[in-house]
Amino acid sequence: EAGVTQFPSHSVIEKGQTVTLRCDPISGHDNLYWYRRVMGKEIKFLLHFVKESKQDESGMPNNRFLAERTGGTYSTLKVQPAELEDSGVYFCASSPGTGGATDTQYFGPGTRLTVL
Amino acid sequence: AQSVTQLGSHVSVSEGALVLLRCNYSSSVPPYLFWYVQYPNQGLQLLLKYTSAATLVKGINGFEAEFKKSETSFHLTKPSAHMSDAAEYFCAVRSSGGYQKVTFGTGTKLQVIP
Repeated sequence: EAGVTQFPSHSVIEKGQTVTLRCDPISGHDNLYWYRRVMGKEIKFLLHFVKESKQDESGMPNNRFLAERTGGTYSTLKVQPAELEDSGVYFCASSPGTGGATDTQYFGPGTRLTVL
Repeated sequence: AQSVTQLGSHVSVSEGALVLLRCNYSSSVPPYLFWYVQYPNQGLQLLLKYTSAATLVKGINGFEAEFKKSETSFHLTKPSAHMSDAAEYFCAVRSSGGYQKVTFGTGTKLQVIP
């Protein structure tokens, strides 16, 4: 069974440009999460989808970030316009969605975003 | 509210020596606790998890962790370090019940010296 996949693995853009990150969760997982790690700091929660609905977006830094999950399958995270402080590694995770003890989140390899 | 504190951003051990990575948590409700590992150029991999069953949890690659409620700790140990254990380790907490975000510690980079 394929794990969580993310594309691209690396992205280097200039300040003011737009970047779109993609996450494909494990097949059948209703829950999809986005996290971010800014260099040297902890991995921080951004938002959580249950199927196509946003369950919790309390971690989204500002309105330059837009996440979508059309059809409840893959998700995209768009940053527009990108700023220097957006640099970091963006992780996606998915879980089956039971909410209980077995609802472990499985993480993708991350997308390393560098804004120059 | 929940939080995690990992003591020591860098830990060095000799090959064959005990590995001890410290983690303390704070949670307003009974927590689920996790250790994740990130090997160089790879994603986060689940090492082990505590979900209110046994307090001593065994994970992959010989790692284990013990949940101590009185100390609010969930330290990760391995009796004998191997070179392949060199990686960054993250302790994390999630509140029990419902769909909840995971809160991570700042990570501990483990260096294994031959």
